[in-house]
Amino acid sequence: NAGVTQTPKFQVLKTGQSMTLQCAQDMNHEYMSWYRQDPGMGLRLIHYSVGAGITDQGEVPNGYNVSRSTTEDFPLRLLSAAPSQTSVYFCASSPGGTLTWNTEAFFGQGTRLTVV
Amino acid sequence: TQLLEQSPQFLSIQEGENLTVYCNSSSVFSSLQWYRQEPGEGPVLLVTVVTGGEVKKLKRLTFQFGDARKDSSLHITAAQPGDTGLYLCAGAGGSNYKLTFGKGTLLTVNP
Repeated sequence: NAGVTQTPKFQVLKTGQSMTLQCAQDMNHEYMSWYRQDPGMGLRLIHYSVGAGITDQGEVPNGYNVSRSTTEDFPLRLLSAAPSQTSVYFCASSPGGTLTWNTEAFFGQGTRLTVV
Repeated sequence: TQLLEQSPQFLSIQEGENLTVYCNSSSVFSSLQWYRQEPGEGPVLLVTVVTGGEVKKLKRLTFQFGDARKDSSLHITAAQPGDTGLYLCAGAGGSNYKLTFGKGTLLTVNP
């Protein structure tokens, strides 16, 4: 049982390049989310999904796209990388549903992205 | 927009000391979660508190949810170097399944 798997762990991009951060979970969770973590800013929600085929914007969605074609996968696409997108990116999944622990998040190990 | 304020932002103490970290908001949350994050890793869930006034203990860690479900505290007794890390609180609001995270408290416990 791998939990939440993110790839790659490290990435360096040039300004203007595009790339996709991969996220997969094997816990059959309904909810998946992408966060970025910057010093002094905490975890900020980029995009989230409450089920296959359903996505929505979080707090800082500009410059990022997501899709959720399966329950397991939730890739994050950077359309045209900018230095301001240098950050550590975390994918998380939560069980969903109506139980009290439905939002408890399981995080991947993160992707450290540098845009030069 | 729901906001969670954590304090202190940084805390450096000696092994054996006690400490309390606070998580405050003007909003009501249906539940509040505490996570610990170590360098190079993702946050890991420690506990979820749901009921106003609820107290949960995890070995030397005591978590409390405020009566009005707007605030929470984490108390560590006799801190150890292994407690070093970033502690994050996160609130879930009603039917809103999104989590709101505080900015975290970076704890360093010196031997």
